[in-house]
Amino acid sequence: LAKTTQPISMDSYEGQEVNITCSHNNIATNDYITWYQQFPSQGPRFIIQGYKTKVTNEVASLFIPADRKSSTLSLPRVSLSDTAVYYCLVGDVNSGNTPLVFGKGTRLSVIA
Amino acid sequence: DSGVTQTPKHLITATGQRVTLRCSPRSGDLSVYWYQQSLDQGLQFLIQYYNGEERAKGNILERFSAQQFPDLHSELNLSSLELGDSALYFCASSVGRGQNYGYTFGSGTRLTVV
Repeated sequence: LAKTTQPISMDSYEGQEVNITCSHNNIATNDYITWYQQFPSQGPRFIIQGYKTKVTNEVASLFIPADRKSSTLSLPRVSLSDTAVYYCLVGDVNSGNTPLVFGKGTRLSVIA
Repeated sequence: DSGVTQTPKHLITATGQRVTLRCSPRSGDLSVYWYQQSLDQGLQFLIQYYNGEERAKGNILERFSAQQFPDLHSELNLSSLELGDSALYFCASSVGRGQNYGYTFGSGTRLTVV
């Protein structure tokens, strides 16, 4: 699986937009980019997945440039409840034998 | 409720003992994955099953084993427990064999070895 690099931690005030960038220089042609959110003592929760350009759902947006060597998770107008660890993962979603491998993630702290 | 059920939620046991953790995947999901999360190691992939067959193995110790039954529920067996096995154990499920559509995680079993 392509290795990913993301900031260890970030702080933000409530109501701000938060952008978390993930670098994946060795991303392969068949790889997708997936983001998960994890609250303390809970299992990770799928947020968004994309291959290229922009993907948006009710929770977040994912921006992927043309070279796909990085991606940015955008959380609009964060609230205290968005305080969590966010994981960026890259891999072939259609492969049967390559399970998700989690890195350290980015610990987001939202401040009132 | 994610649809993935893990039991028990908490487990306290002594060193050297054996425990079994149970996971019922979300309805319709054929793949089950087990992860271990401890404070110093993060989320570590242990093992994957697809429709009853082992598909991938991660950093699973020889003292640990798992299986997936015909009704698709899975059990993770941990034996000769050590203090360092204390962790949160998560089960996740997905529709197919790969990552498509993402994984759905359960709420985990917190194992404490004393």
